[in-house]
Amino acid sequence: EPEVTQTPSHQVTQMGQEVILRCVPISNHLYFYWYRQILGQKVEFLVSFYNNEISEKSEIFDDQFSVERPDGSNFTLKIRSTKLEDSAMYFCASSHSSYNEQFFGPGTRLTVL
Amino acid sequence: EDKVVQSPLSLVVHEGDTVTLNCSYEVTNFRSLLWYKQEKKAPTFLFMLTSSGIEKKSGRLSSILDKKELFSILNITATQTGDSAVYLCAVLGLRGGGADGLTFGKGTHLIIQP
Repeated sequence: EPEVTQTPSHQVTQMGQEVILRCVPISNHLYFYWYRQILGQKVEFLVSFYNNEISEKSEIFDDQFSVERPDGSNFTLKIRSTKLEDSAMYFCASSHSSYNEQFFGPGTRLTVL
Repeated sequence: EDKVVQSPLSLVVHEGDTVTLNCSYEVTNFRSLLWYKQEKKAPTFLFMLTSSGIEKKSGRLSSILDKKELFSILNITATQTGDSAVYLCAVLGLRGGGADGLTFGKGTHLIIQP
């Protein structure tokens, strides 16, 4: 069964460093998403991506964040200058259309020290 | 702002019991309501509901949506220890015209005791 994959599973970084989180969405899906879940809190939407551009973004997705689809398979989230409060689980998701169910990857746990 | 409220926040039952999890919502231009099961990491898709009154069923799990009263329930019959997880309710609305993200509730933490 096709699934969304994410790497790395855990990333530890120093405050102020840049990190890139990687995702490979399900191959015939056209819509890609990033969510985050701070420990003990709700899953929160960050950004959606379609046709090589950002479709929607939340208030959380400020200038320190960017997304890219550098090739036909990967979808990345870059955090330019990490802060302590960026520590969270980051989930990638994909869907066939904007109306279909979204399937989630296993997540990357980001720890900022 | 879209809002999802789940209840109860936690629930402990014995194996074999039936449980009902609740989800109420407020959303701009409702598209669908989704249920996910979250064990250790990723939310795993269970159901997507778009129409009122039509029950979706998968094994011992079932769910139904009431768009007039703005709520959904998830039922699990004959619970097993493997059903222990956080059950997440999420809604998809149409705000900006693009691919909107899901708005999640806090989840119901379900513990099934042997």
